[in-house]
Amino acid sequence: GDSVTQMEGPVTLSEEAFLTINCTYTATGYPSLFWYVQYPGEGLQLLLKATKADDKGSNKGFEATYRKETTSFHLEKGSVQVSDSAVYFCALSDDLGLMGAQKLVFGQGTRLTINP
Amino acid sequence: GAGVSQSPRYKVTKRGQDVALRCDPISGHVSLYWYRQALGQGPEFLTYFNYEAQQDKSGLPNDRFSAERPEGSISTLTIQRTEQRDSAMYRCASSFSFNGQGGEKLFFGSGTQLSVL
Repeated sequence: GDSVTQMEGPVTLSEEAFLTINCTYTATGYPSLFWYVQYPGEGLQLLLKATKADDKGSNKGFEATYRKETTSFHLEKGSVQVSDSAVYFCALSDDLGLMGAQKLVFGQGTRLTINP
Repeated sequence: GAGVSQSPRYKVTKRGQDVALRCDPISGHVSLYWYRQALGQGPEFLTYFNYEAQQDKSGLPNDRFSAERPEGSISTLTIQRTEQRDSAMYRCASSFSFNGQGGEKLFFGSGTQLSVL
């Protein structure tokens, strides 16, 4: 079945450091790919997405490129802030046609802590 | 409401008891999803609805788990004869529509933390 593998955490960085969180996937079809973020005590929020190969999703300074050849969707940010501290989840969703649904398959999550 | 609302926020129950978890999606959202998240893991799909119709329940672990959305709005996830292995965070999510594009944004609630003693 479909699966998502994320970089093991926790990850601790200093403010303004460069961030990469690795994500690779296995899927039989042509999935859409997502990064969700979970701040303490809150629900998951969509951070960015890409729906086809070579698409780049971006939001709040974060970027990820859909790489079909390497089945990857690594999350990057050039200069992290303390407020970026959260748990980050990579996920995929297979297109189910007209009755399509967001049956997301999530990775295990990566906890990120940014120190001032 | 402004966001997806779940209640109760915390539920502690004894093994063998039944529990009902409630989800109130964002007004007007057609699709509603239930996920379960174990500690240190990502959420796992349980079931979803479009309007009042349950479209897929393939993720429900066994027949002790059931869900309904009778009027196409509020949904209840029921777990009968709870077991300790049912302890987890149960998350509800909703989206405005389903379009087969795989790109509809899901809005998640804060979840119900279930502890079975």
